[in-house]
Amino acid sequence: KAGVTQTPRYLIKTRGQQVTLSCSPISGHRSVSWYQQTPGQGLQFLFEYFSETQRNKGNFPGRFSGRQFSNSRSEMNVSTLELGDSALYLCASSPTAATNEKLFFGSGTQLSVL
Amino acid sequence: AQSVTQLGSHVSVSEGALVLLRCNYSSSVPPYLFWYVQYPNQGLQLLLKYTSAATLVKGINGFEAEFKKSETSFHLTKPSAHMSDAAEYFCAVSENLAGNRDDKIIFGKGTRLHILP
Repeated sequence: KAGVTQTPRYLIKTRGQQVTLSCSPISGHRSVSWYQQTPGQGLQFLFEYFSETQRNKGNFPGRFSGRQFSNSRSEMNVSTLELGDSALYLCASSPTAATNEKLFFGSGTQLSVL
Repeated sequence: AQSVTQLGSHVSVSEGALVLLRCNYSSSVPPYLFWYVQYPNQGLQLLLKYTSAATLVKGINGFEAEFKKSETSFHLTKPSAHMSDAAEYFCAVSENLAGNRDDKIIFGKGTRLHILP
């Protein structure tokens, strides 16, 4: 079974631009969560989607948004990029939305904002 | 709301020595607790999880953790460190809210484990 796939692996953007990151979960998984990882801050929860609906959201500004498609693939979008948005963005999937489930992580998208 | 604190952003141990990574949590209801490991240039993978069964949980690669409610702790241990254990370790908590829409998995800031030869 293929794992969680995130594309692209690396991305370089300039301030003010927008970016879209993609995540393909493990086949059959309906929940997709997104996390922002920065040195010293660990993983910060962005949002979770389940069956095309945003189920939960972290404390990030409205510039961060996401969606999930009927095949469970998910995208996150960041508009008006700021230098502080430079981070590793991780996507994780699980079969259900239950929080005692194991999360399966992708390798992440490393975003650099210049 | 739940939270998790990992004591020590960096821990160094000698090869063959005991590994102890500390995690304390805060939760208003019985928690679910997890340890994940991240190797360089990879995503996270689950080491072990506690979901209210046995308080001593055994995971992969010889790691184990003990849930201590009185201390609100879930420390990760391994009797004998190996060079391949060098990685970043994350403790995580979620709340057993029976499907409440507000529940989510919260991660600590991580502890980087260095193994000295």
